[in-house]
Amino acid sequence: SQQGEEDPQALSIQEGENATMNCSYKTSINNLQWYRQNSGRGLVHLILIRSNEREKHSGRLRVTLDTSKKSSSLLITASRAADTASYFCLSDYKLSFGAGTTVTVRA
Amino acid sequence: DTAVSQTPKYLVTQMGNDKSIKCEQNLGHDTMYWYKQDSKKFLKIMFSYNNKELIINETVPNRFSPKSPDKAHLNLHINSLELGDSAVYFCASSQGPRGFSYEQYFGPGTRLTVT
Repeated sequence: SQQGEEDPQALSIQEGENATMNCSYKTSINNLQWYRQNSGRGLVHLILIRSNEREKHSGRLRVTLDTSKKSSSLLITASRAADTASYFCLSDYKLSFGAGTTVTVRA
Repeated sequence: DTAVSQTPKYLVTQMGNDKSIKCEQNLGHDTMYWYKQDSKKFLKIMFSYNNKELIINETVPNRFSPKSPDKAHLNLHINSLELGDSAVYFCASSQGPRGFSYEQYFGPGTRLTVT
């Protein structure tokens, strides 16, 4: 199976709520990236977190990395309608992306 | 200015035809990629070039042939198109040779429909 499996597959939340999605991987990594894909568009890079970092912030985004569990999470705080998109993770040992987590923010 | 551009955006063609998709990046990056995104949203790498040299060639039918005339361009030619080739094809580029420690910049995608 693919490295970097995002979970859940889909998430629906109310505007203003937080959204959390997870990414698991199978081998040791040097870094992991998160990307966003709006409908009908290419992926846009959000955050890169290195293996020696546990947490990283960018605006309303927070990424954590737990190398002991081989997992990462992306938290979007105070979600907005514009956050509706699919979110993908990519570890540096992985060639392809997974299917992502589709986030729908309801007004 | 568009960083990574692809043409055409939409491509509808019949089985058996040959078609090409073009990609250009104006970021000065060394590495370029072709990805295929299927209907379930899996985004799979097909090829990667670094400084015009093929460095990644995933299990892709021989009907797919990439060509990189220079660092800024990576084209994808597909022979004898099949129904299963219908997908969205994305071009991307990154600064570094391996790419996966570097941010990738994606084009807008080319939606290929084979009838």
